[in-house]
Amino acid sequence: GAGVSQSPRYKVAKRGQDVALRCDPISGHVSLFWYQQALGQGPEFLTYFQNEAQLDKSGLPSDRFFAERPEGSVSTLKIQRTQQEDSAVYLCASSQFRGYEQFFGPGTRLTVL
Amino acid sequence: AQTVTQSQPEMSVQEAETVTLSCTYDTSENNYYLFWYKQPPSRQMILVIRQEAYKQQNATENRFSVNFQKAAKSFSLKISDSQLGDTAMYFCAFPSQGGSEKLVFGKGTKLTVNP
Repeated sequence: GAGVSQSPRYKVAKRGQDVALRCDPISGHVSLFWYQQALGQGPEFLTYFQNEAQLDKSGLPSDRFFAERPEGSVSTLKIQRTQQEDSAVYLCASSQFRGYEQFFGPGTRLTVL
Repeated sequence: AQTVTQSQPEMSVQEAETVTLSCTYDTSENNYYLFWYKQPPSRQMILVIRQEAYKQQNATENRFSVNFQKAAKSFSLKISDSQLGDTAMYFCAFPSQGGSEKLVFGKGTKLTVNP
């Protein structure tokens, strides 16, 4: 079906606000990943789900970051009390099998003022 | 920790010429996969080519090919007959150790194809 979609594409938040970023993976893809990409850098891993189970959250930078995928499809990345250093592009990716390519969404550009 | 090193922050090439982007990595695993991803200015990351480490034959995909040297832990990307649409950031990536599927990315090479 369609590719990975993310919403919103752009988000501006005032410091201290909570934000929620949504990811719709490709239908049937078991694995879902969140990455953070700073300007001019490569993506850095945040967290990973296999179906609804969060198997790895070692990349989440602080307890202000929380991710969920309750029904094994759509995922939400929530950032509480946003800080300026949270400004980045947040990429979501999904894959069907281990070792196969990860399909990326267009990303959400978060700017914290 | 696993690392991926792309030593060329920026490169440029004339249209129709060939360019090679370098990537080295560090892992203690024997079986793994390696990827080159392309990220055009619009930001959507797409897969360029994939190499399985147990295969000795270098992967090719149309104008894109790799030079995979397992012992040297080197995985370079060659783009032949460069086109203006090849202008993008290119990232080398491979899965982290220990069974995790997360990808470790290099810092990227910004490639500009000039007319």
